[in-house]
Amino acid sequence: QVQLKETGPDLVQLTQTLSITCTVSGFSLTTYNVHWVRQPPGKGLEWMGAMWNGGGTDYNSAFKSRLSISRDTSKSQVFLKMNSLQTDDTAKYFCATKEYWGQGVMVTVSS
Amino acid sequence: DIVLTQSPATLSVTPGESVSLSCRASQGISTSIHWYQQKSNESPRLLIKYASQSISGIPSRFSGSGSGTDFTLSINRVESEDFSVYYCQQSYSLPLTFGSGTKLEIK
Repeated sequence: QVQLKETGPDLVQLTQTLSITCTVSGFSLTTYNVHWVRQPPGKGLEWMGAMWNGGGTDYNSAFKSRLSISRDTSKSQVFLKMNSLQTDDTAKYFCATKEYWGQGVMVTVSS
Repeated sequence: DIVLTQSPATLSVTPGESVSLSCRASQGISTSIHWYQQKSNESPRLLIKYASQSISGIPSRFSGSGSGTDFTLSINRVESEDFSVYYCQQSYSLPLTFGSGTKLEIK
């Protein structure tokens, strides 16, 4: 069945870089688009960007040039990298297709 | 960016009642709206896609309607497991955006 799982750090230092891996199973990255969405504690959902099944990417301009999404189709993995982290980047980060979501990884940015 | 406005922010109902949740888009988006349910400490679950298309495994009491700028998620006879937060999301244009959510709570 379709599954997505995020792995990444619980804690990131202020101004440092966040790296999260999304490992998928049950489908090919060349067939489904994978999105990154985040949710600060107690708040709503924010779309960050997407890795399209054709290999292209799009980003929410709210993240300016801080965000990078890439993939390794041979490993069925999609990667999120975001630099210059601030305390308001503290959130649960999800990878998702339209219908299927990972469990998310809660990342705290600490000073 | 397309802004989605959900109303009400909180809806207090008794189990067994039927409810309608609203999502209004800042511009016309055809039927490119999707509804998610999120229970506390869980990932969102897709309930309805493209305004009214049902999703396999989702109870038939959930239905969606609307096109253009006004959309509705209806729950026929709310059950105890339905008390959670509901989000709409548009995929008409980038960036994808979500509404701020409607919390369905027990009266």
